[in-house]
Amino acid sequence: AQSVTQLDSQVPVFEEAPVELRCNYSSSVSVYLFWYVQYPNQGLQLLLKYLSGSTLVKGINGFEAEFNKSQTSFHLRKPSVHISDTAEYFCAVSDREGFKTIFGAGTRLFVKA
Amino acid sequence: SAVISQKPSRDICQRGTSLTIQCQVDSQVTMMFWYRQQPGQSLTLIATANQGSEATYESGFVIDKFPISRPNLTFSTLTVSNMSPEDSSIYLCSVDPGQGHYGYTFGSGTRLTVV
Repeated sequence: AQSVTQLDSQVPVFEEAPVELRCNYSSSVSVYLFWYVQYPNQGLQLLLKYLSGSTLVKGINGFEAEFNKSQTSFHLRKPSVHISDTAEYFCAVSDREGFKTIFGAGTRLFVKA
Repeated sequence: SAVISQKPSRDICQRGTSLTIQCQVDSQVTMMFWYRQQPGQSLTLIATANQGSEATYESGFVIDKFPISRPNLTFSTLTVSNMSPEDSSIYLCSVDPGQGHYGYTFGSGTRLTVV
């Protein structure tokens, strides 16, 4: 079975500052890793995913994440955030069959002017 | 990627009644998933729905309370039965587009309030 831990429930940051949202996972098998974003009153949208290959993956809206197998982490980063990035961010993991994705508790990113 | 139309977007229901949520996908997909997101919390998988077979429910969720239909490869419904205030949540359907496109596509969610 897999599990996901998002280490920060809330992250306040000023506009144009860099941000890192932390995610650790545990699994006895190889996994796929994902980050999703949920804007207020909306469903989830896929930001990026790691399937295999390069450990640095780039997603939409200028976000990127780095897969670290030894530390079982998949932290999300953005070098300069905008007010519009204010949202809930979910880290998720699924097994290599791609079924039954498990979501972390979420991190609320709040970008201040 | 697939586009999902989910409705209703929100509803306020009396306790003891039932609500059926519909999800329509613009392409054929093998697997559809129903999630519950309780206020301020993450997503919890309710069940997986495959066309032509019974839905597979996760621990803590039963068919009598959350019956699911999957009549074809583009449509599914989730019914929340005999509702109580504890059922107040956002309910989300999602699909795995398959064909190597890993990562779910989600509907916009149904915000249910039970009074």
